[in-house]
Amino acid sequence: DAKTTQPNSMESNEEEPVHLPCNHSTISGTDYIHWYRQLPSQGPEYVIHGLTSNVNNRMASLAIAEDRKSSTLILHRATLRDAAVYYCILRDKGGSEKLVFGKGTKLTVNP
Amino acid sequence: DTAVSQTPKYLVTQMGNDKSIKCEQNLGHDTMYWYKQDSKKFLKIMFSYNNKELIINETVPNRFSPKSPDKAHLNLHINSLELGDSAVYFCASSPREPNTEAFFGQGTRLTVV
Repeated sequence: DAKTTQPNSMESNEEEPVHLPCNHSTISGTDYIHWYRQLPSQGPEYVIHGLTSNVNNRMASLAIAEDRKSSTLILHRATLRDAAVYYCILRDKGGSEKLVFGKGTKLTVNP
Repeated sequence: DTAVSQTPKYLVTQMGNDKSIKCEQNLGHDTMYWYKQDSKKFLKIMFSYNNKELIINETVPNRFSPKSPDKAHLNLHINSLELGDSAVYFCASSPREPNTEAFFGQGTRLTVV
């Protein structure tokens, strides 16, 4: 599984947008980019995933660079409930049966 | 209804004991997993089962033995517990199709004293 690099921590204010970056310079053409988050004392939960095009869902947006060597998870209006560790994960198109978690980015949301 | 449920939520036991953690998913998924999150918060996969068949075993000590009686259940039995086994254990499931969403349980916090 290819590696990803994320900042250890980020801070945001409530109701402001948050842009969480992820670098994956060794990504292969068949790797999907997945994002999960882990709220305190809970299991990880799926946020979004994409291959080449930007993706939107009710939780967030995923912006993927044209060369696919980086991506950004966008929370349009952060709430206190969004405080969590966010993980950027690469998964092969063939569907490697496991998620390989890195250290993630700990997001703090200030009221 | 909880999609992936684990029992117990907390488990405190002495070194040398044998314990089990149960996991059930009601999502109809074919694939189930066990992950371990240590005190440094690193999440690492331990096992993966696809339709009751073991497909991933990430060099876990053989004191850990997963058992899948049917595709909705994946239990984790641990023999001769050691202090280093203290961690939070997460069960997860996902559909067979590649690159789909995985669902995680709430975790079982195991403390070995």
